[in-house]
Amino acid sequence: DAGVIQSPRHEVTEMGQEVTLRCKPISGHDYLFWYRQTMMRGLELLIYFNNNVPIDDSGMPEDRFSAKMPNASFSTLKIQPSEPRDSAVYFCASRLGGRGLNEQFFGPGTRLTVL
Amino acid sequence: AQSVTQPDIHITVSEGASLELRCNYSYGATPYLFWYVQSPGQGLQLLLKYFSGDTLVQGIKGFEAEFKRSQSSFNLRKPSVHWSDAAEYFCAVGAGGSARQLTFGSGTQLTVLP
Repeated sequence: DAGVIQSPRHEVTEMGQEVTLRCKPISGHDYLFWYRQTMMRGLELLIYFNNNVPIDDSGMPEDRFSAKMPNASFSTLKIQPSEPRDSAVYFCASRLGGRGLNEQFFGPGTRLTVL
Repeated sequence: AQSVTQPDIHITVSEGASLELRCNYSYGATPYLFWYVQSPGQGLQLLLKYFSGDTLVQGIKGFEAEFKRSQSSFNLRKPSVHWSDAAEYFCAVGAGGSARQLTFGSGTQLTVLP
C-alpha cells in the first residue's frame, strides 16, 4: 500500500486566496483525520470522518475552514479566504476502526504558507 | 478530557548513549498510548503502542516504552542512540471508542552528538 497520500506537499498563496488540500487515505480505513501543526499550538485535531461522514469538527478554527469526504478514497480541506495565520503543516491520517489498538497512519503533510 | 505532557522540549545526547524521553498523561480510564517520531519534513511514524498486557512494550528501531499506571507515565527509552534517531518525538493518548482520537504532547526534539 502506498500509505496516506497528500497533495500538494507545499503550497504558497496570498492572503485572501482559496486553498484546497487533498488527502487519499489508506484503502480500507474507515476513519480519516485532519490535523494542523504549528510551533505555537503543536498538533491539533481539526476534524475527523467515519465512513465519509464528519463526526467531530470542533477543532476547526473558524468558518473559513471546511472539510469534505465525498467518497472513501478522497478528502479535502479548504480554507477560504486564507490568512497568514493559517500558515502551518496540515496532516491527514487514516485508521482502521474497531476495538483493536489500530494506530493512525499519517501522510507526509502539506506545508502551507500564506503571504 | 485527556491531556499529555512532555516536559522536555529539547534533549541532547551523544551517539551510543542511552535515552529516556518522558511522557505523562491524564485520562479518566485505561489509556491507549502511542509514541510517534517525526523526521524533518516528514509525517509521523509510529514507534510503539500500548493498551493492555505487559507494561514494557517493544517498538521499532530498538525503542521500548514502559507504562506505569501509578505515575501516569509512558516513558520512551533506547539503550544506545544512533545519529539517525535525531528527530522529534511525540507521545499521544487515544480516547476510548472506535474513533480513538489522539491528543498529542508538545513533542521532544532529540539532538544526537557524534
